[in-house]
Amino acid sequence: GAGVSQSPSNKVTEKGKDVELRCDPISGHTALYWYRQSLGQGLEFLIYFQGNSAPDKSGLPSDRFSAERTGGSVSTLTIQRTQQEDSAVYLCASSLRSGPQETQYFGPGTRLLVL
Amino acid sequence: GDSVTQMEGPVTLSEEAFLTINCTYTATGYPSLFWYVQYPGEGLQLLLKATKADDKGSNKGFEATYRKETTSFHLEKGSVQVSDSAVYFCALTGTASKLTFGTGTRLQVTL
Repeated sequence: GAGVSQSPSNKVTEKGKDVELRCDPISGHTALYWYRQSLGQGLEFLIYFQGNSAPDKSGLPSDRFSAERTGGSVSTLTIQRTQQEDSAVYLCASSLRSGPQETQYFGPGTRLLVL
Repeated sequence: GDSVTQMEGPVTLSEEAFLTINCTYTATGYPSLFWYVQYPGEGLQLLLKATKADDKGSNKGFEATYRKETTSFHLEKGSVQVSDSAVYFCALTGTASKLTFGTGTRLQVTL
């Protein structure tokens, strides 16, 4: 079946603008994760959804970052008033269930560049 | 908190050489351990995993054994190929579901 998809694949924006990044998980996967990959910080966890609820938001770096998930499927990560340090690849992953033993399947990522 | 330490790269090997990439971890409880691989221009893919002590994960000729006594999960392959050139990430999930990653090790295999 189809894997995790993300859109857009690339996004260039100006400092101070808002951006929305979209993730479509694998059909039937109840858990969804957002991570960020940057040169300086490596791969970092941002937020995790089980269904439409976010039991762990501990990785969101500031209140400019928010995410939602609707219908237990699609998720949107929103960054308000973007800063240059937000430039990174934003990765989405999903797993069939939540739990530490579950395999997370990653999408191709959205490469965000803030000018 | 949880953390993963893996050897600095890049690692450069000739084809058919033996590969070891070291990974050690710090975590409370009994984490699950993973190796993910990122080929050039591609996304992260699970390579193998182990969910309890002494388990061995294996895939595509790669192996790693979950060693609780040494808190390690070293990746090995007996004979690397040029197509194995990629960045390899060791990771764990502790009591939570989120992955904690190491910094990644770039492997370059030459003819």
